[in-house]
Amino acid sequence: GDSVTQMEGPVTLSEEAFLTINCTYTATGYPSLFWYVQYPGEGLQLLLKATKADDKGSNKGFEATYRKETTSFHLEKGSVQVSDSAVYFCALTGAGSYQLTFGKGTKLSVIP
Amino acid sequence: EAGVAQSPRYKIIEKRQSVAFWCNPISGHATLYWYQQILGQGPKLLIQFQNNGVVDDSQLPKDRFSAERLKGVDSTLKIQPAKLEDSAVYLCASSTTGPDTQYFGPGTRLTVL
Repeated sequence: GDSVTQMEGPVTLSEEAFLTINCTYTATGYPSLFWYVQYPGEGLQLLLKATKADDKGSNKGFEATYRKETTSFHLEKGSVQVSDSAVYFCALTGAGSYQLTFGKGTKLSVIP
Repeated sequence: EAGVAQSPRYKIIEKRQSVAFWCNPISGHATLYWYQQILGQGPKLLIQFQNNGVVDDSQLPKDRFSAERLKGVDSTLKIQPAKLEDSAVYLCASSTTGPDTQYFGPGTRLTVL
């Protein structure tokens, strides 16, 4: 079945540091790929998405590129802020499916 | 636009007791999902509704869990009887028809003692 593997956390960075959170997936066909974010005390929010190979999703300074050849969808941000502290989840919906399959999440803490 | 509403936000029960969670999706969203998120893990789909019909409940432990969506709007998820391993956050999400973006509620944190 479909699965998502993302890097183990927690990740601690200083403000303005570069962020990469790795995500790889296993799925048949051409899934849609997502990054969701969960801020402390809040529900999951869609951060960005990409629906076909080589698409780049972007939002709030975060970016991720759908790489079919490496089955990856790594999340990047050039300069993190304290307000980016949250848990980040990589997820996919399989071809023709509405169901999200999530990774385990990566907790990011940004210190001033 | 109002988001997905869930209640209660927190619930503590003893094992073998019953509990119910309520979800009100975004107005006009035909598809509703219930997820279980155990601490340290990603959410896992329990059941998916399209209007008031069940699309997929293959991961719902049907011996103790049940869910309904009357009139294709609100939904209730019930656990009876609860076990210790049911301690988790229960998330409700909704989307328009089709594999569109899912919008999540704040969740209900269940603790089973």
